[in-house]
Amino acid sequence: AQSVTQLGSHVSVSEGALVLLRCNYSSSVPPYLFWYVQYPNQGLQLLLKYTTGATLVKGINGFEAEFKKSETSFHLTKPSAHMSDAAEYFCAVSEGNFGNEKLTFGTGTRLTIIP
Amino acid sequence: GAGVSQTPSNKVTEKGKYVELRCDPISGHTALYWYRQSLGQGPEFLIYFQGTGAADDSGLPNDRFFAVRPEGSVSTLKIQRTERGDSAVYLCASSLAGGSNYGYTFGSGTRLTVV
Repeated sequence: AQSVTQLGSHVSVSEGALVLLRCNYSSSVPPYLFWYVQYPNQGLQLLLKYTTGATLVKGINGFEAEFKKSETSFHLTKPSAHMSDAAEYFCAVSEGNFGNEKLTFGTGTRLTIIP
Repeated sequence: GAGVSQTPSNKVTEKGKYVELRCDPISGHTALYWYRQSLGQGPEFLIYFQGTGAADDSGLPNDRFFAVRPEGSVSTLKIQRTERGDSAVYLCASSLAGGSNYGYTFGSGTRLTVV
């Protein structure tokens, strides 16, 4: 079984400030981890993913995330927030090659950027 | 096509009616996934096809929900005797073989409203 917990359903940061969105996972096998962004009335767009190898993963739009097995975490960061980053962000986990390919999502974090 | 296409984009139906939602995956993608996203929630897994067969249908909430993919391409999600609680955005995704490695591409969804 797998699950994802996203701490903070709403996060507000000032433009230019650090963005930190938290994600903790639970998985009975080595996890495949993903961050998706969703703009209003649109589908999900992949920001980045971790499968195996390097634990610091760089994605699009300046986002990155670090897989920490000891903390079962995969927090998303961006050094400097931009107004265009305002959206809903979802963390997700799958079993990948170790089992089922379905994604299990967290409940999401709505990011607001303050001008 | 270039992306995953879902039709219709919006569907309003009366309680008790039957509805069909269609998903056209990216050409050549063997895996297809259906998710349901209720307001303020993350997407919830419904069913996953590998080719024509359902590899995992554990997320279908009850026997009113059914999905098919007869030729291994287009998929239809069918909901019988709709209830107001079925109102949600239904998302479809496709991938080459295993999405964890090759990536999942999501459609923009069908917003179903049951009145």
